[in-house]
Amino acid sequence: KQEVTQIPAALSVPEGENLVLNCSFTDSAIYNLQWFRQDPGKGLTSLLLIQSSQREQTSGRLNASLDKSSGRSTLYIAASQPGDSATYLCAVNTDSWGKLQFGAGTQVVVTP
Amino acid sequence: SQTIHQWPATLVQPVGSPLSLECTVEGTSNPNLYWYRQAAGRGLQLLFYSVGIGQISSEVPQNLSASRPQDRQFILSSKKLLLSDSGFYLCALTRMGANLGEQYFGPGTRLTVT
Repeated sequence: KQEVTQIPAALSVPEGENLVLNCSFTDSAIYNLQWFRQDPGKGLTSLLLIQSSQREQTSGRLNASLDKSSGRSTLYIAASQPGDSATYLCAVNTDSWGKLQFGAGTQVVVTP
Repeated sequence: SQTIHQWPATLVQPVGSPLSLECTVEGTSNPNLYWYRQAAGRGLQLLFYSVGIGQISSEVPQNLSASRPQDRQFILSSKKLLLSDSGFYLCALTRMGANLGEQYFGPGTRLTVT
């Protein structure tokens, strides 16, 4: 059974620092991995999708890497801002029907 | 681009009462649709998914059911709510090529069972 782990569970950084969020998964047979952002009481916003054949994806200040063989993905957020404060979730798709397995998330606070 | 609507946004229901949550999508056709639940202190759990009208697969045994009466409508129901049904319910979709596609989520429905 696929298990997805996110460490740390919570993270607080001063504004301007780079953020590094980790995601690990136990079964390397994945189709893709997706990073989401969730603000309190809101739905999930997709940040980046990495296909299993890709090593990384970039969007603006966000960069996500994928090492499928070791079961790891890292989300980097450059030059963090208070508006980056949220919970970040990673999810892996190991199923042709698109069913996602989620980690528990990392709660990020960026202080001004 | 696609848009997902969920109704209602919040709901407070007594134990034993029925439930109906609605999800409608715009801007895409023939999507795969999903219901997830996010309970307090727990991660997101997939409840149901649908690959087409009338086609429902259940992931977790429970007193909930789902239906897809139209291509862009997905409904989550219960005949009698339990306290453990409280949580944040999220509808999601993927477009063609579900095994490769990005998944998009709606704004969610907060359900409190009292």
